[in-house]
Amino acid sequence: GENVEQHPSTLSVQEGDSAVIKCTYSDSASNYFPWYKQELGKRPQLIIDIRSNVGEKKDQRIAVTLNKTAKHFSLHITETQPEDSAVYFCAARGFNKFYFGSGTKLNVKP
Amino acid sequence: DAGITQSPRHKVTETGTPVTLRCHQTENHRYMYWYRQDPGHGLRLIHYSYGVKDTDKGEVSDGYSVSRSKTEDFLLTLESATSSQTSVYFCAISEGGGTGYGYTFGSGTRLTVV
Repeated sequence: GENVEQHPSTLSVQEGDSAVIKCTYSDSASNYFPWYKQELGKRPQLIIDIRSNVGEKKDQRIAVTLNKTAKHFSLHITETQPEDSAVYFCAARGFNKFYFGSGTKLNVKP
Repeated sequence: DAGITQSPRHKVTETGTPVTLRCHQTENHRYMYWYRQDPGHGLRLIHYSYGVKDTDKGEVSDGYSVSRSKTEDFLLTLESATSSQTSVYFCAISEGGGTGYGYTFGSGTRLTVV
């Protein structure tokens, strides 16, 4: 099956700086890559996604890039704010299901 | 809300007892999933269902069984609970199994096995 690796496991940035989280996947057939944000004690929620026929997608301060050749994709958050502090999960679509990375705990210091 | 509810939200049980967690959806989605979340492991798939009475195993299915007798309910049973099954359990639903279909998660069930 698919194997998704996510780095770093923790990331601490100053408010206003950028944050980048990277994921790699193993199955070249994977073609859909969502990112989820999970605040403390809450459910994971979809924040952005990208399909394999697209190289980059932006939504305000959040962007995702995909390199299919290298089998890696990244989440970019610009102008970070304290409310961005959460755990972020990447995922890759396999047959009928998603495989998740192990998560990145982002801490934005005011 | 998100159209998906889990019950109970919290449960403490003793080793060796059976436990059933319930996921209920009002979205009429075909796909339902059970994941467990543990520190350092992210979300790992236990079992999933692609229709009524149609289920399949995930990567950590040992010690768990599931049932789906109607579209809206997906039950996860720990046949004989062990301390290693202490975890947060998330149910998720999806309208489809292909590209572009993401998950909506329930609020989770925190299970402690003592």
